[in-house]
Amino acid sequence: AQKITQTQPGMFVQEKEAVTLDCTYDTSDPSYGLFWYKQPSSGEMIFLIYQGSYDQQNATEGRYSLNFQKARKSANLVISASQLGDSAMYFCAMREGPNFNKFYFGSGTKLNVKP
Amino acid sequence: NAGVTQTPKFRILKIGQSMTLQCTQDMNHNYMYWYRQDPGMGLKLIYYSVGAGITDKGEVPNGYNVSRSTTEDFPLRLELAAPSQTSVYFCAARVNTEAFFGQGTRLTVV
Repeated sequence: AQKITQTQPGMFVQEKEAVTLDCTYDTSDPSYGLFWYKQPSSGEMIFLIYQGSYDQQNATEGRYSLNFQKARKSANLVISASQLGDSAMYFCAMREGPNFNKFYFGSGTKLNVKP
Repeated sequence: NAGVTQTPKFRILKIGQSMTLQCTQDMNHNYMYWYRQDPGMGLKLIYYSVGAGITDKGEVPNGYNVSRSTTEDFPLRLELAAPSQTSVYFCAARVNTEAFFGQGTRLTVV
């Protein structure tokens, strides 16, 4: 089974609007962590936001927020007020295992922000 | 503080050749990872290490080997390159909630 599933290969959003990128995960560990990364066309991986499985509140970092629904095993990324520079690939990731040693990525969502 | 440094950035190999992709970090992080990213796809975990002297297989380890003799270095070895190993390779170092990635190595096997 896929550890991380991102079902939206590509998405478009109008500049200044909000967009939600979907992510579901599969783990039997009670303790795990969820991440979102941005990969611009230049190729580097940029850390955006983190949510721990025991965190009571949804994580927020500036214009990024993580909509964590534990029972549904989903960890959607919400980008508010989209900017042209947000156009990139976005990857959801999960760490699990003893001492969180394993770190898995989804297949990514290509976001295009339209002016 | 350079973070995670990967070399080389680009390489073309002939089928059957071998090479080592270098990865070094200056953050003293215990956890290090090697991923491959095929075109339009996500990152697949090849090998990981939780500290010097300790390595383990990830999702796609076949055709690769790793070693971790020091905290800083985590080289990835391809012994008999095959066209299926054409990919972009990323090394990462992680501590707690954050992971730092190298810039990637674009490898083509012809």
